[in-house]
Amino acid sequence: SAVISQKPSRDICQRGTSLTIQCQVDSQVTMMFWYRQQPGQSLTLIATANQGSEATYESGFVIDKFPISRPNLTFSTLTVSNMSPEDSSIYLCSVSPGTSFYEQYFGPGTRLTVT
Amino acid sequence: ELKVEQNPLFLSMQEGKNYTIYCNYSTTSDRLYWYRQDPGKSLESLFVLLSNGAVKQEGRLMASLDTKARLSTLHITAAVHDLSATYFCAVGPLGGQNFVFGPGTRLSVLP
Repeated sequence: SAVISQKPSRDICQRGTSLTIQCQVDSQVTMMFWYRQQPGQSLTLIATANQGSEATYESGFVIDKFPISRPNLTFSTLTVSNMSPEDSSIYLCSVSPGTSFYEQYFGPGTRLTVT
Repeated sequence: ELKVEQNPLFLSMQEGKNYTIYCNYSTTSDRLYWYRQDPGKSLESLFVLLSNGAVKQEGRLMASLDTKARLSTLHITAAVHDLSATYFCAVGPLGGQNFVFGPGTRLSVLP
C-alpha cells in the first residue's frame, strides 16, 4: 500500500478564484489519479497524471479548468480554476503502485466549498 | 462505454441479519474492486477480484466475481453496526488503467 497526504484538507473559497490541491505519496508511484466526489455522489475520474507526460483528462473535464502538474514520482497538484458553487466537492487523489492489477489507494480528500 | 450499477442504493438492516449487495457492469472487464467509505472519510480498499469465480472473505464480508454474468456480489453475514458505511464497487476496463465507480450502496445497520 501507500501513504497519501493531501493539502489542504478543506477550504472555503470565493467564486471566481482558484485553489491548488497538493497530493504527496510516501513512495514512488507510476500512476496518480484525481477524482471528484460531489455531495452524496460517487467518484468521477477527472484525469490521470503520469510523470513526464501530459495529464489525460476524462470526458467533461478540461485542462483550462483543472490544470494538473506531476513534477516527480511522489507528488502532484490539481488546480480548480475560476471556481463556481458547482465545483463544491471532495477532491481525492489516488495512486496505483504499478502492480499488474492496478489497485488504487486513496488520499484523505480535500473538501472544497465555493461560495 | 463502461457503466457500473449497484443495487440496492440504500440498505437498512437489522444487526445479525444477512444481505447481499450487487454490482453489475456493462462491458468486459478483468478487474473488480470493492471499497468502503465512512462519512467524511476517504475510501478504504476491501477486495480486489481478478478472475472469474474469485471469492474473497474478510470477517463478515465476502465478495465474489462472475465475469461471464458481469456481476459481483458483496455478501454481509450477521451484520453489526460497525459495518454501517457506503460501499462502492469499481471496475477496470480491459486494457485500461482507470476505474469506473458504481453509485455506491449506503448501508445502515440498526441495533
